Amino acid sequence: QSVLTQPPSVSAAPGQKVTISCSGSSSNIGNNYVSWFQQLPGTAPKLLIYDNNKRPSGIPERFSGSKSGTSATLGITGLQTGDEADYYCGTWDGSLSGRVFGGGTKLTVL
Amino acid sequence: EVQLVESGGGLVEPGGSLRLSCAASGFTFSSFSMNWVRQAPGKGLEWVSSISSSSTYIYYADSVKGRFTISRDNAKNSLYLQMNTLRAEDTAVYYCARPHISAATGDAFHIWGQGTMVTVSS
Repeated sequence: QSVLTQPPSVSAAPGQKVTISCSGSSSNIGNNYVSWFQQLPGTAPKLLIYDNNKRPSGIPERFSGSKSGTSATLGITGLQTGDEADYYCGTWDGSLSGRVFGGGTKLTVL
Repeated sequence: EVQLVESGGGLVEPGGSLRLSCAASGFTFSSFSMNWVRQAPGKGLEWVSSISSSSTYIYYADSVKGRFTISRDNAKNSLYLQMNTLRAEDTAVYYCARPHISAATGDAFHIWGQGTMVTVSS
């Protein structure tokens, strides 16, 4: 059972928009920055969003992040088949004195 | 080129030990905190351990506390994970990861290695 809760799967059609939620508590998301990662099959994870809503160089504007209270959301617009992957949120948890990830969300582009 | 390369994985019997290494290149290793993250077959990401740039601060997941030891050698641009009393549930791909240079915290794992597989089985 992950400290951060994500939906196991989401799906949408090419060109559409999808959001992936990440729910936590005051000991993690509520008082810390959130990151989002994309993992394509058989590859290492890739940083998509850091500090709640910042994109590393090379990450398209189609990817966005937001945070409100103890929840965070990853948004992806203009879905492409290449976006099919597992997505993870992550942050620091002050109660655990450690970093935590969500359980992951599998995105299917229909 | 900024790069992390893990090594040291393999097959080990339950109760055994293994030492993973992560060689860094292309950036000032001594300026960054470093992390180990693992992923069991077919499962999600699990943070394992973090170490600050000068080794002052070290953190472990409860699942490995007392069994694993993280360390670094800034002169050799290397990160290590000593794993003792290994269990079947430690079977996973182990990644070393570096945070983004501009991130406010060390959680923004930007640079990842290719991973090294650790299999604990008799």
